[in-house]
Amino acid sequence: DAGITQSPRHKVTETGTPVTLRCHQTENHRYMYWYRQDPGHGLRLIHYSYGVKDTDKGEVSDGYSVSRSKTEDFLLTLESATSSQTSVYFCAVRDWNTGELFFGEGSRLTVL
Amino acid sequence: KNEVEQSPQNLTAQEGEFITINCSYSVGISALHWLQQHPGGGIVSLFMLSSGKKKHGRLIATINIQEKHSSLHITASHPRDSAVYICAVRGFGEYGNKLVFGAGTILRVKS
Repeated sequence: DAGITQSPRHKVTETGTPVTLRCHQTENHRYMYWYRQDPGHGLRLIHYSYGVKDTDKGEVSDGYSVSRSKTEDFLLTLESATSSQTSVYFCAVRDWNTGELFFGEGSRLTVL
Repeated sequence: KNEVEQSPQNLTAQEGEFITINCSYSVGISALHWLQQHPGGGIVSLFMLSSGKKKHGRLIATINIQEKHSSLHITASHPRDSAVYICAVRGFGEYGNKLVFGAGTILRVKS
């Protein structure tokens, strides 16, 4: 267990509003990831981080930004939410030593 | 074409049956993961493989690096095994920072 918590777990918002999802981990893992999961698409990488202030884009990064100012927190921001960003968002961490993956419980976002 | 292909997409089995889910990939990999997701639930890592075979309880995972293929087997299946099973692969070097996921196999085990 990597002690991963995501917040909020559920959110309903309106088009055009900013939204920030938080991923918090307690085990000092270096690698952290944000994915979205949609029917018919499986898990798709939005952004990932390989250390404090070190981030890179994934395959579906348009409309999203991230920040990692502390090892334990990885924030995903939708600057201006759109209905196409309605999804379930998962945070994950990778144990550098073992390669094992650990996922958060997911955050369900609905953009009206 | 997705780099990671899973089959079957959907699988319905009777309790007690032996189940096999397949994963084929097209790139060189440093590791392959099998994940489980129950309906409405989070995602749990079942196995991470880079060669050979691993067993945990009724679950067995195998990988053939030369053939770029992995299988997940469930022996004596039970309704609580009903879930989506996802295969994911990790490449080498900078590509090892990212995972490529299969679309998942939806398994339903009937009692």
